[in-house]
Amino acid sequence: KNQVEQSPQSLIILEGKNCTLQCNYTVSPFSNLRWYKQDTGRGPVSLTIMTFSENTKSNGRYTATLDADTKQSSLHITASQLSDSASYICVVSGKRGGADGLTFGKGTHLIIQP
Amino acid sequence: DAGVIQSPRHEVTEMGQEVTLRCKPISGHDYLFWYRQTMMRGLELLIYFNNNVPIDDSGMPEDRFSAKMPNASFSTLKIQPSEPRDSAVYFCASSLTIGNYGYTFGSGTRLTVV
Repeated sequence: KNQVEQSPQSLIILEGKNCTLQCNYTVSPFSNLRWYKQDTGRGPVSLTIMTFSENTKSNGRYTATLDADTKQSSLHITASQLSDSASYICVVSGKRGGADGLTFGKGTHLIIQP
Repeated sequence: DAGVIQSPRHEVTEMGQEVTLRCKPISGHDYLFWYRQTMMRGLELLIYFNNNVPIDDSGMPEDRFSAKMPNASFSTLKIQPSEPRDSAVYFCASSLTIGNYGYTFGSGTRLTVV
């Protein structure tokens, strides 16, 4: 069964600090992996997408990595800001995923404290 | 473009009542998805449409749930009769294509059934 596991479930860090969120998946065959940011009371918004051949991709202070061999991805946030407080959801695409080919993680809830 | 528009933003209803959630997708997007999000299960796909036609409704939990898309600019998700376990945030998303290519999500409808 395709699964996407995210860790930690929740995280609290001080403003200005860095953090790394993890995503492990068992989706096979793998197509791509996308990270979403979901602010409280809003829908998820895409941050970045990783394909099989990509190891690292940056979007401002967000850097995603992918290791297709170990089926792991991480999202690193540098110099965190209060606006980074949100849930971060990892979504993996594979031919045997959900009806739309996607398997969703349950997310990491990140809180940035001043 | 105003994005994906959902209404209402919040709905509180009594058990047994009918609930109708509404969605206006982004113009030109051929795919429309209905998701349900809970703390326990995360985001779950309920049903999706392609060119107004329901393609897969295997995620619809029970016959109490139904969805329609009478035209390219409007979709509804109806729950009749509603039950307390239906309490969740319901998201509508639209996309140009299917797969992990970046869905645009609405802001969701928070449904509380008491």
